[in-house]
Amino acid sequence: DAGVIQSPRHEVTEMGQEVTLRCKPISGHNSLFWYRQTMMRGLELLIYFNNNVPIDDSGMPEDRFSAKMPNASFSTLKIQPSEPRDSAVYFCASSLYSGGLTDTQYFGPGTRLTVL
Amino acid sequence: SQKIEQNSEALNIQEGKTATLTCNYTNYSPAYLQWYRQDPGRGPVFLLLIRENEKEKRKERLKVTFDTTLKQSLFHITASQPADSATYLCALPPWGSSNTGKLIFGQGTTLQVKP
Repeated sequence: DAGVIQSPRHEVTEMGQEVTLRCKPISGHNSLFWYRQTMMRGLELLIYFNNNVPIDDSGMPEDRFSAKMPNASFSTLKIQPSEPRDSAVYFCASSLYSGGLTDTQYFGPGTRLTVL
Repeated sequence: SQKIEQNSEALNIQEGKTATLTCNYTNYSPAYLQWYRQDPGRGPVFLLLIRENEKEKRKERLKVTFDTTLKQSLFHITASQPADSATYLCALPPWGSSNTGKLIFGQGTTLQVKP
């Protein structure tokens, strides 16, 4: 099993540019989560999907952030326009939803984003 | 609002000793709690899940306790090894969301095991 795959692993961009992060969840998993991790705020949930449908996007910081899941094997997180304060490590995680009481999450390796 | 508190100071112990990490939470009683390990430059990896009706859970050298009265979970690593050095995160479902699979993570405690 390949695990959760994220790309790119590192992204350096300039303020104002559009950034797209990609995630391929574990095959068969039906829940997908996007997190952001910084030293100051720790690991924060941005948005999660269940069966490709966005369930809770209350963690998305502002309208500059958007996420899509067009099918069960692919999701994107887009930042447009990017700002220096968006610099962080972005993780994607997937799980097999089974009523929520025993679900564990499998994380990808993360994308380290630096906005200059 | 609910809070999860983990000791922000790194825990330094000698190889062979037992490491004990603490996770405190406030304002509600979660149906379960999970512990994850995170190595530098990597994503968190699931270790153990303990439910509210379980007092203790073990897996090899790991032991987790869950005290719903104290609103606290303790994570123990016995016979610690330098390879156990990592950051350990506790996670629990947010209030009202026990059946969604959604988790809130603590800030984590960094463990350093010295040979």
